[in-house]
Amino acid sequence: GNSVTQMEGPVTLSEEAFLTINCTYTATGYPSLFWYVQYPGEGLQLLLKATKADDKGSNKGFEATYRKETTSFHLEKGSVQVSDSAVYFCALRPYNNNDMRFGAGTRLTVKP
Amino acid sequence: GAGVSQTPSNKVTEKGKYVELRCDPISGHTALYWYRQSLGQGPEFLIYFQGTGAADDSGLPNDRFFAVRPEGSVSTLKIQRTERGDSAVYLCASSLDSSNTEAFFGQGTRLTVV
Repeated sequence: GNSVTQMEGPVTLSEEAFLTINCTYTATGYPSLFWYVQYPGEGLQLLLKATKADDKGSNKGFEATYRKETTSFHLEKGSVQVSDSAVYFCALRPYNNNDMRFGAGTRLTVKP
Repeated sequence: GAGVSQTPSNKVTEKGKYVELRCDPISGHTALYWYRQSLGQGPEFLIYFQGTGAADDSGLPNDRFFAVRPEGSVSTLKIQRTERGDSAVYLCASSLDSSNTEAFFGQGTRLTVV
């Protein structure tokens, strides 16, 4: 079946540190891949997405590249800020339907 | 409204009672999803609708859970004989009928069974 596995947290970094949150997936065909973010007290919102192999999604300094050969979609940011503290979820949608599946989430805390 | 609306935002109910949770998706979105999110976990898929029909209800945990979307817009998640283990945040999301578009989430309904 379709599933997403992401790096367990929590992750604690100092401001301006480099961030990587790993995400790998299992799916048939070519799913679309997403990173969602949940800030404290807020709902889930889309951070970035990629719909085909080698696409790079980017937003707010975050990037993730769709790697078909390694079935991965790792989230990266070169210099995190305190305001990036949140829970990050990797998700996929199969190519042939709208059934979205999420990873368990990774809590990021950035300290000043 | 502009976003996905869920009501109520909070619901406290006694064990054994029946509850209904409502989701009002973004206008024009044909796909609608229900998820359950327990503390510290990711959204757990329950059911998704394409139009009026349940395209995939494989995530519903047992027959106490049921969802409807009779006119292809508003959806209601119904839970019978609630148990303490049903306590969670129930999330609704909607998306356009396309596999590469994002799902927009509501703020969720926090259900507490006491």
